[in-house]
Amino acid sequence: DVKVTQSSRYLVKRTGEKVFLECVQDMDHENMFWYRQDPGLGLRLIYFSYDVKMKEKGDIPEGYSVSREKKERFSLILESASTNQTSMYLCASSSGQGADEQYFGPGTRLTVT
Amino acid sequence: GQQLNQSPQSMFIQEGEDVSMNCTSSSIFNTWLWYKQDPGEGPVLLIALYKAGELTSNGRLTAQFGITRKDSFLNISASIPSDVGIYFCAGQLWSNYQLIWGAGTKLIIKP
Repeated sequence: DVKVTQSSRYLVKRTGEKVFLECVQDMDHENMFWYRQDPGLGLRLIYFSYDVKMKEKGDIPEGYSVSREKKERFSLILESASTNQTSMYLCASSSGQGADEQYFGPGTRLTVT
Repeated sequence: GQQLNQSPQSMFIQEGEDVSMNCTSSSIFNTWLWYKQDPGEGPVLLIALYKAGELTSNGRLTAQFGITRKDSFLNISASIPSDVGIYFCAGQLWSNYQLIWGAGTKLIIKP
């Protein structure tokens, strides 16, 4: 089975802090994705990566950056956290050949106070 | 970004009832996916569809890839309490890495 793990299930940070969310997949997948999920808005794509050191902006990249130094690891960075970034963050991976079937981690619920 | 039209938004059903939900798009897709999300968890893939007209089952779940390539349906037969959750559809456009997501259908079982 594909396993996608995220570094924290719950995180509380203060406004202005730099926040790192880590995601690791163990299936040698080419593609990795970061989404945020808010009630009534569904899943919105922040960034994705189709190869090491490669990244593409999704629908809502403002206020975020990403890093993919190793194939299995994809990090989401909030340079200066703001209260409107309080959300559920979901990481996913897929094998390649386009998006195909994405497999998700359990999510990180981030609260910025 | 683009979003699929998923309906209904929520459903209240009795245990044992059959459930139907669907997604439509103005664009043609080459892949349709159906996910379920339990509270506080990430979405879990239920069914993947790759061909127009394809009908695929996973236990009590059946999904179909519409003939026009612009819609998909998910049916759940004889619902049970653990079916509660949010169901999402997602589609992949031709030659595109991104999935386009529906807003979800929340399934609630009446006590």
